[in-house]
Amino acid sequence: EVQLVESGGGLVQPGGSLSLSCAASGFTFSTSWMHWVRQAPGKGLVWVSRINTDGSATAYADSVKGRFTISRDNAKNTLFLQMTSLRAEDTAVYYCAKDLSFNQVDHWGQGTLVTVSS
Amino acid sequence: SALTQPASVSGSPGQSITISCTGSSSDVGAYNYVSWYQQHPGKAPRLVIYDVTNRPSGVSDRFSGSKSGNTASLTISGLQAEDEADFYCSSYTGSRPPVVFGGGTKLTVL
Repeated sequence: EVQLVESGGGLVQPGGSLSLSCAASGFTFSTSWMHWVRQAPGKGLVWVSRINTDGSATAYADSVKGRFTISRDNAKNTLFLQMTSLRAEDTAVYYCAKDLSFNQVDHWGQGTLVTVSS
Repeated sequence: SALTQPASVSGSPGQSITISCTGSSSDVGAYNYVSWYQQHPGKAPRLVIYDVTNRPSGVSDRFSGSKSGNTASLTISGLQAEDEADFYCSSYTGSRPPVVFGGGTKLTVL
């Protein structure tokens, strides 16, 4: 059974940093592209970032480019999202997601809430 | 830019409903990589349709997808109470950003 378990969310002040992790199991992590998708309270899904199998190619939404960094450790089956210069508008549930093909997601984590507030 | 979905749709048990998802010739119209996700309150999204028309294992055959031009559609037949949820479409773009989502549609089963 595919499992994606996010951790690292919490309350952070504007301008602060936070690092999210996603522990993957039940599939071959090293051959799967991965995504982070977020959802602000009461709002819709928004794609944040994507990484290829070996971490050599990444992509970001314009809203987070230069502030967020996606990475992975295939030896530990773990996906990361390093977030810096956080803003109130970054407040959301952040989902780790496994790519099926062509940026379609076939499995989602349960999400971790990031709240940016003073 | 984000794909366009109706904010809400509703139907009675046993009826059929269709949710539209309108994009452009750069995303929905250009690629057969449209997917649909169902999200119940407080839960993670679940894939119900991929590659425009395909259903993942375990998804009811009451869910079906189609596409015409720049608009994709999700149809749910034989509505059941448990279908009540938010639905999101997404499409591959081949450019930046590499994927876009619709704003979501709230399905109410009357």
